[in-house]
Amino acid sequence: DAGVIQSPRHEVTEMGQEVTLRCKPISGHNSLFWYRQTMMRGLELLIYFNNNVPIDDSGMPEDRFSAKMPNASFSTLKIQPSEPRDSAVYFCASRKSDQPQHFGDGTRLSIL
Amino acid sequence: GNSVTQMEGPVTLSEEAFLTINCTYTATGYPSLFWYVQYPGEGLQLLLKATKADDKGSNKGFEATYRKETTSFHLEKGSVQVSDSAVYFCALITGSGNTGKLIFGQGTTLQVKP
Repeated sequence: DAGVIQSPRHEVTEMGQEVTLRCKPISGHNSLFWYRQTMMRGLELLIYFNNNVPIDDSGMPEDRFSAKMPNASFSTLKIQPSEPRDSAVYFCASRKSDQPQHFGDGTRLSIL
Repeated sequence: GNSVTQMEGPVTLSEEAFLTINCTYTATGYPSLFWYVQYPGEGLQLLLKATKADDKGSNKGFEATYRKETTSFHLEKGSVQVSDSAVYFCALITGSGNTGKLIFGQGTTLQVKP
């Protein structure tokens, strides 16, 4: 039973570069969430989708961040241009209806 | 607004000690309450949940009781193991059918020494 799959697991890139994080939710789940985790700010919700439609993007830090969900089995979180302060672990989670969220193992992003 | 407050860590215990991690919440309506656990290098995993007042969630020897009168959901375990070392997050969710977003506490790190 595959869980939430995120790729890549680790990303190291130079500031100014475009970064794309990918997520495959659990099949049959209709909600998808993107989180960012840092030591300073803890776990922050960036955006979430219901049935592929963005519902709340109030946590997206600025216009450099964008997220898409073109279909029920795939989502991307893009940062362009990236900055060192974007370094964090980014988690994707999915959920079916009113059931608890399931988290992926995260992407550890380092911007040099 | 809705919020969750956890005791600050790290909490350091010896193996077989009793564990309590305090969690209190502020919410409108009747939230569902959760404890998630994060092991090193992994994502969060649901540990237990309670959906209404006086419910007790339990899993892997951990328990937490939904106390509406004190707006609390403290996590307890009678005898911790080294393998319980992790970060524990208390969370709530509100909204119709609990289909809204999770509100997390800041997390409490537990270190269990042999």
